[in-house]
Amino acid sequence: GNSVTQMEGPVTLSEEAFLTINCTYTATGYPSLFWYVQYPGEGLQLLLKATKADDKGSNKGFEATYRKETTSFHLEKGSVQVSDSAVYFCALISGGYNKLIFGAGTRLAVHP
Amino acid sequence: EPEVTQTPSHQVTQMGQEVILRCVPISNHLYFYWYRQILGQKVEFLVSFYNNEISEKSEIFDDQFSVERPDGSNFTLKIRSTKLEDSAMYFCASSGGEVKETQYFGPGTRLLVL
Repeated sequence: GNSVTQMEGPVTLSEEAFLTINCTYTATGYPSLFWYVQYPGEGLQLLLKATKADDKGSNKGFEATYRKETTSFHLEKGSVQVSDSAVYFCALISGGYNKLIFGAGTRLAVHP
Repeated sequence: EPEVTQTPSHQVTQMGQEVILRCVPISNHLYFYWYRQILGQKVEFLVSFYNNEISEKSEIFDDQFSVERPDGSNFTLKIRSTKLEDSAMYFCASSGGEVKETQYFGPGTRLLVL
């Protein structure tokens, strides 16, 4: 079946450090891939997405590239801020209106 | 910017009681979903709904759960007889319109069953 695997957290970084959160997936067909972010006490917000191989999603300085050959969608940011502290969820949809399948989430803590 | 809203934000109930969680999806969306997140765990799919019927449901969505679109704007999740293990954050989401695959989530309802 379809699944998403994320690196375990928590990830603790200093402000302005480089961030990578690994995400790999298993899916039939050609899924669309997403990163959602959950700030403390809040719901899920779409951060970025990519719908086909080699697409790069980007938003708020975050980027992720859909790599079909490695079935990966790693999240990166060049310089994190304290305000980026949150839980990040990688997710996929296989088929247009189907359910989202989430990874376990990775908690990021950024210190000044 | 349009958004999904949910009420109440928090609900405390006694085991065995019925609860109804309410959602107002984005107005031009046609696909609706419920997910839940037990504290500290991953977000899990419960059910999807389209054209006034369930299109898919997970094994979690047993006979104690039901969904309804009672009018043109609301989408509800009912739990008939709550159990302790139903305590979780429940998220509503909707999709459709120009970008069909992207699901937009509400802020969630935190349900605590005592």
